[in-house]
Amino acid sequence: NAGVTQTPKFRVLKTGQSMTLLCAQDMNHEYMYWYRQDPGMGLRLIHYSVGEGTTAKGEVPDGYNVSRLKKQNFLLGLESAAPSQTSVYFCASTDRVGVNEQFFGPGTRLTVL
Amino acid sequence: GQQVMQIPQYQHVQEGEDFTTYCNSSTTLSNIQWYKQRPGGHPVFLIQLVKSGEVKKQKRLTFQFGEAKKNSSLHITATQTTDVGTYFCAGLQAGTALIFGKGTTLSVSS
Repeated sequence: NAGVTQTPKFRVLKTGQSMTLLCAQDMNHEYMYWYRQDPGMGLRLIHYSVGEGTTAKGEVPDGYNVSRLKKQNFLLGLESAAPSQTSVYFCASTDRVGVNEQFFGPGTRLTVL
Repeated sequence: GQQVMQIPQYQHVQEGEDFTTYCNSSTTLSNIQWYKQRPGGHPVFLIQLVKSGEVKKQKRLTFQFGEAKKNSSLHITATQTTDVGTYFCAGLQAGTALIFGKGTTLSVSS
């Protein structure tokens, strides 16, 4: 099992460019999450999904969109990147939220110039 | 909404000293989870506490859940350099997502 994987690992964008971050899990988990991590701010929830075809907003959803067309994949999109979106992005998944552990991907380090 | 607060934000200790981080929630938690993130790595699950007043141990790590289920603590006895990292607590919000505290970053000098 690969667990949770994220693509790409690093990316540099210019302001206004768009990109999609891909998260994939092979554990058949229902719940998937996107967090961003900034120094001193901990892990902040961007969007999440409780099952295939569903998405919901987290704490900091502005400027991001998500899709969960397949159970194993959760995509995070930035339509028009801004320097404030420079961050490390983590994807996570679990089969039972708050009951079983949450598995995290290795992260994507994004810089927006 | 629910908030989970952790203190201290940073802690530096000499190897062999003890370390404690505290987690407080604005609301009663059904349970609480703890994660550790090594420098440059991703968060990794350590433990989950469910019962009021619960205490669990993992070698030198002791986890406690408060009687009112609104606070928790992680205590490390005789820290080692391998304990370096950021420790997060997380509580369940609205039954659908974990809300993480800002974490406590531990540094250890030998």
